[in-house]
Amino acid sequence: DIQMTPSPSSVSASVGDRVTITCRASQSISTYINWYQQKPGRAPKLLIYAASALQGGVPSRFSASGSGTNFTLTISSLQPEDFATYYCQQSYISPWTFGQGTRVEIK
Amino acid sequence: EVQLVESGGGLVQPGRSLRLSCAASGFTFDGYGMHWVRQAPGKGLEWVSGISWNSGNIDYADSVQGRFTISRDNAKNSLYLQMNSLRPDDTALYYCAKDKRSGIAAAGFDYWGQGTLVTVSS
Repeated sequence: DIQMTPSPSSVSASVGDRVTITCRASQSISTYINWYQQKPGRAPKLLIYAASALQGGVPSRFSASGSGTNFTLTISSLQPEDFATYYCQQSYISPWTFGQGTRVEIK
Repeated sequence: EVQLVESGGGLVQPGRSLRLSCAASGFTFDGYGMHWVRQAPGKGLEWVSGISWNSGNIDYADSVQGRFTISRDNAKNSLYLQMNSLRPDDTALYYCAKDKRSGIAAAGFDYWGQGTLVTVSS
């Protein structure tokens, strides 16, 4: 199975900060990666698909890039509603595996 | 508005069975792949199973292969998960999720239900 390793596991940041989360795949997955946001007690929400495509309705402060094994999700200016856990997920080969998540906390 | 509503969760003893359902509305159900994703309490997300638009492609995580069966009824806009031989480590919130595409390539789970809790304990 492909392992997805996020970094860091948690980050403390302030409103307005630029936040970058990375995800490393255990083998090349081209650009077959999706990113999700999950708030406590809520279902995950798709933010980015195919490595860099913004899902409809997602604010443009979210962006992502990468290919092969190294990927990043960036929040350009952190907003109060962005404090959540972020998951990467590979869609290269089954089983479709998720990273363990990066928790973005209020500093 | 897309809606996915899971049901069928509950407390069950180890070794017993449970059937989850997901009622879909607000989109052309038979045009998309569908998946089950679970989340153990306080843990991350784990993909469980997926089924293509016409049930022609079905796939399972190794952890549930041979015990769980996914199915769909396009006439009823419904997705199902038959769970047999349940184990304590199957305890989780089970989400129904829509694929962005018709297959099961997990191109992105773009809509999720609120989840139904399955607790396996004696």
